[in-house]
Amino acid sequence: GAVVSQHPSWVICKSGTSVKIECRSLDFQATTMFWYRQFPKQSLMLMATSNEGSKATYEQGVEKDKFLINHASLTLSTLTVTSAHPEDSSFYICSASWGGGTDTQYFGPGTRLTVL
Amino acid sequence: GENVEQHPSTLSVQEGDSAVIKCTYSDSASNYFPWYKQELGKRPQLIIDIRSNVGEKKDQRIAVTLNKTAKHFSLHITETQPEDSAVYFCAANAGGGADGLTFGKGTHLIIQP
Repeated sequence: GAVVSQHPSWVICKSGTSVKIECRSLDFQATTMFWYRQFPKQSLMLMATSNEGSKATYEQGVEKDKFLINHASLTLSTLTVTSAHPEDSSFYICSASWGGGTDTQYFGPGTRLTVL
Repeated sequence: GENVEQHPSTLSVQEGDSAVIKCTYSDSASNYFPWYKQELGKRPQLIIDIRSNVGEKKDQRIAVTLNKTAKHFSLHITETQPEDSAVYFCAANAGGGADGLTFGKGTHLIIQP
């Protein structure tokens, strides 16, 4: 149980284009989903927290107009990187939980984004 | 906000020996402390977690201890095996039950045959 999927697993795009990443909880309803990014050989950095049906809460330093998050259902959250630039190239990983910060977070397999 | 420090950054141990990774946190409101194992290019996998109402938790060869007063928690792996080689991350929530996790910088555990 508690399986989280992400799509696509990797994407290469040109600078200036937008990329959408999907995160799905396959066998449970995720009240809360989180988006992290991870640069090579570094730790995971929380970007934003999204609760179903409400606006995402972004961490300090993360541009909400650049990283659009939508959590339209209890099993799906999307992250759209708008007008992507090479410095946005990273590993984006989502996680999902039943509730808030004290509930176990199950991670998706990640999406490798490369912006040329 | 929460700040999590993790040591060491690299740990090499002989197969069969024990490994210990230590983390400290800054936010006294944090009440959930998971440990994740991540292999290269793969997702973090939860290996054990502990909540602030207990001081120790064990699952076979893996144990975690928590000292709330000192704000530190540790991962202990006994009888290490080659498949234990990976990067291990500790994490803490921000408290209040609503926030994501703050991760330590990770420990690259190398099991020498």
